Amino acid sequence: DAGVTQSPTHLIKTRGQHVTLRCSPISGHKSVSWYQQVLGQGPQFIFQYYEKEERGRGNFPDRFSARQFPNYSSELNVNALLLGDSALYLCASSLTGNTEAFFGQGTRLTVV
Amino acid sequence: AQSVTQLGSHVSVSEGALVLLRCNYSSSVPPYLFWYVQYPNQGLQLLLKYTSAATLVKGINGFEAEFKKSETSFHLTKPSAHMSDAAEYFCAVSDRGDYKLSFGAGTTVTVRA
Repeated sequence: DAGVTQSPTHLIKTRGQHVTLRCSPISGHKSVSWYQQVLGQGPQFIFQYYEKEERGRGNFPDRFSARQFPNYSSELNVNALLLGDSALYLCASSLTGNTEAFFGQGTRLTVV
Repeated sequence: AQSVTQLGSHVSVSEGALVLLRCNYSSSVPPYLFWYVQYPNQGLQLLLKYTSAATLVKGINGFEAEFKKSETSFHLTKPSAHMSDAAEYFCAVSDRGDYKLSFGAGTTVTVRA
């Protein structure tokens, strides 16, 4: 079975641009969470979705938004990119959001 | 809010030696606790988790951790290090049943031949 898949694996954007990152959960999993991992730090929780509803949000500005689709895949959108948004963005899926999370390989975003 | 502190950003051990990674948590109620491993350019893999069953938790790859409420600690150990254990290790905490994880800053483990 396929694990959590994220796309793209790497991308480079310019300050002020917008970016969309995508995540497909493990088949049967209905919850997706997003984390930001800045180089040299631990991951920071951004969002959790379950059954297309936002279940939790971390301490991130409104430039960050996300949604979950009927097939349980998810997008993370970041507007007005800053240099400090450069990070590895990790997606994790779980059955309900109250069970073990499985992480994807991440998307490496570089803002120049 | 839940938080964890990992003591030591880098640990170097000889192959075959004990690996000990320290993690202390801050929580008003007993939380769920996790250890994850991250290899270069990869995502996170769960090593083990504590969810209020046995206080000594055994995980994959020979790792184990002990939950000590009196010390608010959840240290990770492996009796004999292998070269393949070289990676970054993260301790994480969540509210019970919540699984919104708060991670520590991580500890990088290097293994000397």
